[in-house]
Amino acid sequence: RKEVEQDPGPFNVPEGATVAFNCTYSNSASQSFFWYRQDCRKEPKLLMSVYSSGNEDGRFTAQLNRASQYISLLIRDSKLSDSATYLCVVNAQGYSTLTFGKGTMLLVSP
Amino acid sequence: ETGVTQSPTHLIKTRGQQVTLRCSSQSGHNTVSWYQQALGQGPQFIFQYYREEENGRGNFPPRFSGLQFPNYSSELNVNALELDDSALYLCASSPTQDTLGGYTFGSGTRLTVV
Repeated sequence: RKEVEQDPGPFNVPEGATVAFNCTYSNSASQSFFWYRQDCRKEPKLLMSVYSSGNEDGRFTAQLNRASQYISLLIRDSKLSDSATYLCVVNAQGYSTLTFGKGTMLLVSP
Repeated sequence: ETGVTQSPTHLIKTRGQQVTLRCSSQSGHNTVSWYQQALGQGPQFIFQYYREEENGRGNFPPRFSGLQFPNYSSELNVNALELDDSALYLCASSPTQDTLGGYTFGSGTRLTVV
């Protein structure tokens, strides 16, 4: 089982749509969770951290279910500029490394 | 405050050659981590350096080696290049060893091995 698994993509949605990305992780000792965004041929950039209580940043909402080892990202009112690959990222306490999922590509069309 | 900078941005090498990639960490950061991202994949952890010592290593062969200098900048060296080494190499610096705050990456070095 891969350490971090994400929905295979790509997701093709029209502008204004709501889209959800799912992610599962295998290491129950994981302590920190993130969503990164990566534009084509660019470096990944931190989109948001994910907290146990869930958190929201504008049109973006992240949820964490530790019991199910499941993370989600919801994007409301999609914009063309949201087109990118979204990477689910976790780390485990005591581990000096972040583990990335393969990423899910989002394509928002007019 | 300057961010993480990497050089060169692009590089083409021949199979069997050796390559050195460079990373200048963000001001005040003493930890540097290197990742390899092959096309269509997520970044894979190569190794991390903390205060000039290797502080963790991923599943990469010994021909991948590194250094960290007293100013916390870092190098990634790859010997005996193989075609599969073609990838985007990413460097990230952080103020401590832990990853609780996530990383800020440099813009990467795109290596092509022919």
